[in-house]
Amino acid sequence: AQRVTQPEKLLSVFKGAPVELKCNYSYSGSPELFWYVQYSRQRLQLLLRHISRESIKGFTADLNKGETSFHLKKPFAQEEDSAMYYCALSGRSGGYQKVTFGTGTKLQVIP
Amino acid sequence: DVKVTQSSRYLVKRTGEKVFLECVQDMDHENMFWYRQDPGLGLRLIYFSYDVKMKEKGDIPEGYSVSREKKERFSLILESASTNQTSMYLCASSLARVNTEAFFGQGTRLTVV
Repeated sequence: AQRVTQPEKLLSVFKGAPVELKCNYSYSGSPELFWYVQYSRQRLQLLLRHISRESIKGFTADLNKGETSFHLKKPFAQEEDSAMYYCALSGRSGGYQKVTFGTGTKLQVIP
Repeated sequence: DVKVTQSSRYLVKRTGEKVFLECVQDMDHENMFWYRQDPGLGLRLIYFSYDVKMKEKGDIPEGYSVSREKKERFSLILESASTNQTSMYLCASSLARVNTEAFFGQGTRLTVV
């Protein structure tokens, strides 16, 4: 079974402060991990994926297989970062590729 | 530009009604998914389909069924709607390959009264 855990429902930070959204996973194989974001009144969209190892809107995420984590980080939060963030894992389940999402963390950036 | 379109943005139905939620994608994606999104519970997979007429149960299939008669269309059916099915429903599609992005529809807010 595959599982994604996001321990924080809400994370409030001040503008300019560092941000870290936590994500831990459980999966027996080699995981494919993603961060999705949903801004207010917009559809859910991909933010970044671990395979790309890129920075999007200043966000980065490193896969740590030893700690089974894929935390999302940004050094300086901006007001427009306020949104709902979901960590997701894509893995084989019953012969098919299945995507499992975490419960989400609401990021609130205080001006 | 990938488009995943859900037929309704808001729906209000009565308990016991049969409800159809429709989703269409225009990028020839093999995989299609139905999730429900609830505060504090995140996105939970109801059903997914990896090909026409093929379907697999997700994590919470009870009370739901699906239909995929054409590659671009994936329907979610509530056989007899109940109040605990009041939720936001999200449809998504993706290619059938590793590390592929899922594209989401705008969501359907269903209220069962």
